[in-house]
Amino acid sequence: GQNIDQPTEMTATEGAIVQINCTYQTSGFNGLFWYQQHAGEAPTFLSYNVLDGLEEKGRFSSFLSRSKGYSYLLLKELQMKDSASYLCAVKGDSWGKLQFGAGTQVVVTP
Amino acid sequence: DTAVSQTPKYLVTQMGNDKSIKCEQNLGHDTMYWYKQDSKKFLKIMFSYNNKELIINETVPNRFSPKSPDKAHLNLHINSLELGDSAVYFCASSLPGGTSGGTTDTQYFGPGTRLTVL
Repeated sequence: GQNIDQPTEMTATEGAIVQINCTYQTSGFNGLFWYQQHAGEAPTFLSYNVLDGLEEKGRFSSFLSRSKGYSYLLLKELQMKDSASYLCAVKGDSWGKLQFGAGTQVVVTP
Repeated sequence: DTAVSQTPKYLVTQMGNDKSIKCEQNLGHDTMYWYKQDSKKFLKIMFSYNNKELIINETVPNRFSPKSPDKAHLNLHINSLELGDSAVYFCASSLPGGTSGGTTDTQYFGPGTRLTVL
């Protein structure tokens, strides 16, 4: 079966670093995506990993280990506007089909 | 410039009614998707079309019928609405949408349609 797990909620202070873990078990693997979703809004693309290693994009970095079925999203220098849900999604073995995790709600406090 | 747009943004209706949601993308993408996000915020794919051809059809009641008149439009018609259909429905689009891999497969989401069935 397909399974994508991520923590439900994380709280961190403005300026701090938060790491959101995602573990997956899927029947195929053609890449892992991270999306950010603010309340009442659409998910927006943050990062993509298909090979093992770290991808860095400004304050956001994403890491993938295919052998461990594991990824994390690292948010540095947290800002209040980073308070949102972060969705881990795996592209499996069929056309464009993304399997999403339930999302991790990140709460940034002053 | 809106990339992926949906209408309406909010839809409140009675049980048993039939309603449609429309989606349009001006990104020149070949593939479009419908997702349902329930009250627990879990986002689940329902359908996908590539160049007007249905390619993903998840286990969805047949009261839901997608239609793609051209590759820039994907509509969702729902018959005999039920309470459990209340959710936010997101349309998305991507370039190839196949198993080619790469960031060209990134899906871009519309603003969502919040459907409330009373």
